Amino acid sequence: DSGVTQTPKHLITATGQRVTLRCSPRSGDLSVYWYQQSLDQGLQFLIQYYNGEERAKGNILERFSAQQFPDLHSELNLSSLELGDSALYFCASSRRDGRTDTQYFGPGTRLTVL
Amino acid sequence: DQQVKQNSPSLSVQEGRISILNCDYTNSMFDYFLWYKKYPAEGPTFLISISSIKDKNEDGRFTVFLNKSAKHLSLHIVPSQPGDSAVYFCAATPPTNAGKSTFGDGTTLTVKP
Repeated sequence: DSGVTQTPKHLITATGQRVTLRCSPRSGDLSVYWYQQSLDQGLQFLIQYYNGEERAKGNILERFSAQQFPDLHSELNLSSLELGDSALYFCASSRRDGRTDTQYFGPGTRLTVL
Repeated sequence: DQQVKQNSPSLSVQEGRISILNCDYTNSMFDYFLWYKKYPAEGPTFLISISSIKDKNEDGRFTVFLNKSAKHLSLHIVPSQPGDSAVYFCAATPPTNAGKSTFGDGTTLTVKP
């Protein structure tokens, strides 16, 4: 158990809908990262927040947005969902925002768009 | 353009033998490299890392080698154990952008008893 929790574990929805994925980092971790893993592919970095501020951005679609709240949990919002958005979404956390900080991953949320 | 490539989708080795997982990268700006292990239904777990100022880093049974001129890194597991059976991802990070690692597609390692 990494100490990072993600809810829900599974999500099935329809095209055009909007969903929110939630992540609670390990106690004391200030950074939260979001990744997308499509079928049989590597993890694609989406976005990183550090202590409530956006720190780094990957190839995150404009239909996707995220935020980190004062209690340091984070939410990833996916809107106008398309079939291709079906994937595993992982959240990770680290103590600080340095790139040598170990990232601890949650178990992921599996999103299925029908 | 895939900047980090793991050309072998799968690898099968006998218990007790060496497992060698390979990773190639194209972006010479990458200077910090990581390996993660992932079991089914779990998130990736950090395994070992290496900075570009080194060419080798060792942690128990796991050793990572970096060849900067060839833009190649490898993970050696000696001796391999059945519990090592998992998907292994390599990742590379540039000097800026704290958490912005680029991952390979992974190699599935199977260690047979």
